[in-house]
Amino acid sequence: DAGVIQSPRHEVTEMGQEVTLRCKPISGHDYLFWYRQTMMRGLELLIYFNNNVPIDDSGMPEDRFSAKMPNASFSTLKIQPSEPRDSAVYFCASSRTNEKLFFGSGTQLSVL
Amino acid sequence: TQLLEQSPQFLSIQEGENLTVYCNSSSVFSSLQWYRQEPGEGPVLLVTVVTGGEVKKLKRLTFQFGDARKDSSLHITAAQPGDTGLYLCAGEEAAGNKLTFGGGTRVLVKP
Repeated sequence: DAGVIQSPRHEVTEMGQEVTLRCKPISGHDYLFWYRQTMMRGLELLIYFNNNVPIDDSGMPEDRFSAKMPNASFSTLKIQPSEPRDSAVYFCASSRTNEKLFFGSGTQLSVL
Repeated sequence: TQLLEQSPQFLSIQEGENLTVYCNSSSVFSSLQWYRQEPGEGPVLLVTVVTGGEVKKLKRLTFQFGDARKDSSLHITAAQPGDTGLYLCAGEEAAGNKLTFGGGTRVLVKP
């Protein structure tokens, strides 16, 4: 199995631009999570899906952030417009119900 | 939101020494997980503890879950440079697969 696949690995953009992060979960996993990691705040849960349906988006910082999961094999996290304080590493993770969580390698986002 | 506090934030030791990392909360979790994260990668699960008082061993790593299921510790015996990394604890709430992560302990084992 290829594991959780995230793209791009690195993204550098200017303030005000739209950013789209992509995730392909492990096949057969019914839960998908988006996390953000910074030195100051650690690893924070932004939103998670169960069977492609958003269950809890209370961690999404603002309306500038949105996430979709159109099918079981693909999810996106979009930031529009982006701001310098959004700079962080964004992780996608997936799991089966009540089983081990697998993380992707993350997307390093820098907003200048 | 249930919070998890990890201590210390940073630990630097010599190869062969022992170390202990702590994870504390004022809330009860249904289970607690420990992860290790290397630079440029996502966290990787090491162990899950479920029962209060439970002790699990993974080679030189010993994990303990507090009796009240509010705290946990990770002890590494005879640390090696390969143990270097960011250690994260994460608590699972009763409902669903949602995890809350601690701030992490960065461990550096010098040869």
